[in-house]
Amino acid sequence: ETGVTQTPRHLVMGMTNKKSLKCEQHLGHNAMYWYKQSAKKPLELMFVYSLEERVENNSVPSRFSPECPNSSHLFLHLHTLQPEDSALYLCASSHVGGNGNQPQHFGDGTRLSIL
Amino acid sequence: TQLLEQSPQFLSIQEGENLTVYCNSSSVFSSLQWYRQEPGEGPVLLVTVVTGGEVKKLKRLTFQFGDARKDSSLHITAAQPGDTGLYLCAAFYFNKFYFGSGTKLNVKP
Repeated sequence: ETGVTQTPRHLVMGMTNKKSLKCEQHLGHNAMYWYKQSAKKPLELMFVYSLEERVENNSVPSRFSPECPNSSHLFLHLHTLQPEDSALYLCASSHVGGNGNQPQHFGDGTRLSIL
Repeated sequence: TQLLEQSPQFLSIQEGENLTVYCNSSSVFSSLQWYRQEPGEGPVLLVTVVTGGEVKKLKRLTFQFGDARKDSSLHITAAQPGDTGLYLCAAFYFNKFYFGSGTKLNVKP
């Protein structure tokens, strides 16, 4: 299997539930990213992990908790979400190093709906 | 304000028409990337432009990087329904990756 795989593709949850989104990359990359894509907003970078260390956290509410156990896997743990958190959550990976211009490879996202 | 401004935001055209979308900034970039995102999928890289004034062609798509490396354009010739999607420009800036807000293109048969 190649590329970036996200599971589940669709998730409906209540505001009091706890769930996790999973991302796996098979490209040998050393950086992974979580993005939020809402209908009327541009892609919002949430978290960046480089060499398994979190290097960026863009003022994301604590109800979103990322985890990167190794360079191939990335999780986004969700708890007590709000309706405005309904969005497409995209995972991406890239190789960081050298001239830093390496493109990002995206998964197909998890469509999250909060009831 | 966003680092990368894309225009137009929406574009609906008939099959066979030509179109140009723009990605503008007041900042200078070492390179710029274009992605296309089709409904229900993640963005996919189309091209990276690196040199000021560079023109790259990908079948009916022509990408140009501005001479000053602050802006870029994407021209599609004889658009087809398969070109429908969200077109995003992106760039590294001070070790961070930024996306534009995108141009949503709909090509009607």
